[in-house]
Amino acid sequence: DAGITQSPRHKVTETGTPVTLRCHQTENHRYMYWYRQDPGHGLRLIHYSYGVKDTDKGEVSDGYSVSRSKTEDFLLTLESATSSQTSVYFCAISDRGYEQYFGPGTRLTVT
Amino acid sequence: SQQGEEDPQALSIQEGENATMNCSYKTSINNLQWYRQNSGRGLVHLILIRSNEREKHSGRLRVTLDTSKKSSSLLITASRAADTASYFCATDDSQGGKLIFGQGTELSVKP
Repeated sequence: DAGITQSPRHKVTETGTPVTLRCHQTENHRYMYWYRQDPGHGLRLIHYSYGVKDTDKGEVSDGYSVSRSKTEDFLLTLESATSSQTSVYFCAISDRGYEQYFGPGTRLTVT
Repeated sequence: SQQGEEDPQALSIQEGENATMNCSYKTSINNLQWYRQNSGRGLVHLILIRSNEREKHSGRLRVTLDTSKKSSSLLITASRAADTASYFCATDDSQGGKLIFGQGTELSVKP
């Protein structure tokens, strides 16, 4: 997990509230990713970034938005949280788009 | 949609035995990767094998790739209790920079 941190690590929020998760890296890697991990679904890509202000959608992007204004930070926002967004969220980084290095995860519970 | 599918979903062995996990995928790839995830932690990259390679070793890990059968296997030799984890295969997306993960094999190594 060295070089990549996620905050907060745990969060409980109510349905309908906005939530922002932060991923911070010190590796100066070009690519950054947000995944969610749920039992029975494995790891699914939400959004990813291939450079500052360059982002694209993943497999499960509905209800999520992202922003990357600096190389080191990649923010994931749930505009209006729903119970279906209860999950463990992982950020990952990659230098060349091959091997990915993962953060420790954020456990989000939407009540 | 999941590209890689691991088999078996769960595997329980004794310390010292070998563990073999298999991964099948659907479309052509540039490379295939294996990751390990310990309980409550982020994924850790283990090994990458390119589409023009058939076998690759890293310590006690041996990975094979058969592109004609669209399958890969991960062999862990002389397993240890510390190898207990979930193991995921991941294939690259044709657009580059993205990975598609399977649902994983849960390995339990009993001392």
